[in-house]
Amino acid sequence: DAKTTQPNSMESNEEEPVHLPCNHSTISGTDYIHWYRQLPSQGPEYVIHGLTSNVNNRMASLAIAEDRKSSTLILHRATLRDAAVYYCISGSARQLTFGSGTQLTVLP
Amino acid sequence: GAGVSQTPSNKVTEKGKYVELRCDPISGHTALYWYRQSLGQGPEFLIYFQGTGAADDSGLPNDRFFAVRPEGSVSTLKIQRTERGDSAVYLCASSQDRGSYNEQFFGPGTRLTVL
Repeated sequence: DAKTTQPNSMESNEEEPVHLPCNHSTISGTDYIHWYRQLPSQGPEYVIHGLTSNVNNRMASLAIAEDRKSSTLILHRATLRDAAVYYCISGSARQLTFGSGTQLTVLP
Repeated sequence: GAGVSQTPSNKVTEKGKYVELRCDPISGHTALYWYRQSLGQGPEFLIYFQGTGAADDSGLPNDRFFAVRPEGSVSTLKIQRTERGDSAVYLCASSQDRGSYNEQFFGPGTRLTVL
């Protein structure tokens, strides 16, 4: 699976949008881009995935660059419950290869 | 509905002992995954089952680790001759297997401590 690069940490104010970037410059044509998040003391939770087009769901939006070498997870209005480690993964939907993720802190 | 459950939630053992960790997937999910997460790191893939068979066990670190899923539902991860370096949170996930993409649903994990 392709390697991804994310900032170690980010901060956001509550009720403001958050843009979490991810680089996956070695992604191959059939690799998905997935985002999972992990709240403290819990297992990871699926957020969103995409292949080429931008995607929206009830949790977030995923903006994928035209060359697919980067993507951005967008939380439209951060809440305190969104504080978590966010993992950007590229590759198969099966053997997920997690990196270190981005620790998102949401300030009240 | 019920999510993925894992037992025990915590396991403390001594170096050299044998341990079994259990995973109950979501009913009807044919795919089951085991991951291991060390402190401060992301989960690391261990093994993936499709039904009763291990479709990919390339992540198992050595032959002390073994997993089974005899009836295609519950799975057990078995670790022989435990070492202190095996201490981690062991996560199980399950997914359906239809269509082009199936998200994985994770359990809360079993925290294994080897003294």
